[in-house]
Amino acid sequence: AQSVTQPDIHITVSEGASLELRCNYSYGATPYLFWYVQSPGQGLQLLLKYFSGDTLVQGIKGFEAEFKRSQSSFNLRKPSVHWSDAAEYFCAVGAGTYKYIFGTGTRLKVLA
Amino acid sequence: EAQVTQNPRYLITVTGKKLTVTCSQNMNHEYMSWYRQDPGLGLRQIYYSMNVEVTDKGDVPEGYKVSRKEKRNFPLILESPSPNQTSLYFCASSAEPRDITGANVLTFGAGSRLTVL
Repeated sequence: AQSVTQPDIHITVSEGASLELRCNYSYGATPYLFWYVQSPGQGLQLLLKYFSGDTLVQGIKGFEAEFKRSQSSFNLRKPSVHWSDAAEYFCAVGAGTYKYIFGTGTRLKVLA
Repeated sequence: EAQVTQNPRYLITVTGKKLTVTCSQNMNHEYMSWYRQDPGLGLRQIYYSMNVEVTDKGDVPEGYKVSRKEKRNFPLILESPSPNQTSLYFCASSAEPRDITGANVLTFGAGSRLTVL
């Protein structure tokens, strides 16, 4: 079955520390992969996407993600977290005609 | 400004009282969709529309209706709301897909928090 797994429900990091949010997917074909961020009281905003080509993709706000086909993963990273990065992060896969499968989200807390 | 606008942002209602959550986009997008977000379940698709007068069910359509009479509007209708429809609802839109395999970026509204007592 098609699915997206974000194994970490909550993550807490100190400001300035590095960050990695995990995402694993199950999809039979080549996936289109997305990371969205949801700030409090806001809708989801696209951070980055992977369609094809270079498996390391750069996004907004200093985020990057690496597609690893062998591990069915698309982990999100940031070298140095800022307090404003506190939000909920969703990994998603474009899974067919007009269908998107979202993970359950990872809520990031940043300590000053 | 390109955006998806949902109204109301917050609503408390009672079981059985019909309500409509409106969604409007100003980007001339063909594709629109409704999701509900529940703790531990992420976002689940309720209904989507590929264009005017073309709608289809998502993963959790029970208890909801939609219509797409105009390209810019995609209202979500709860004919007889029940407490299990208490949730955070998001409308999203996207331009015509470059292909048909889900490669397009979604633009989301700010969400509508609905409580059904």
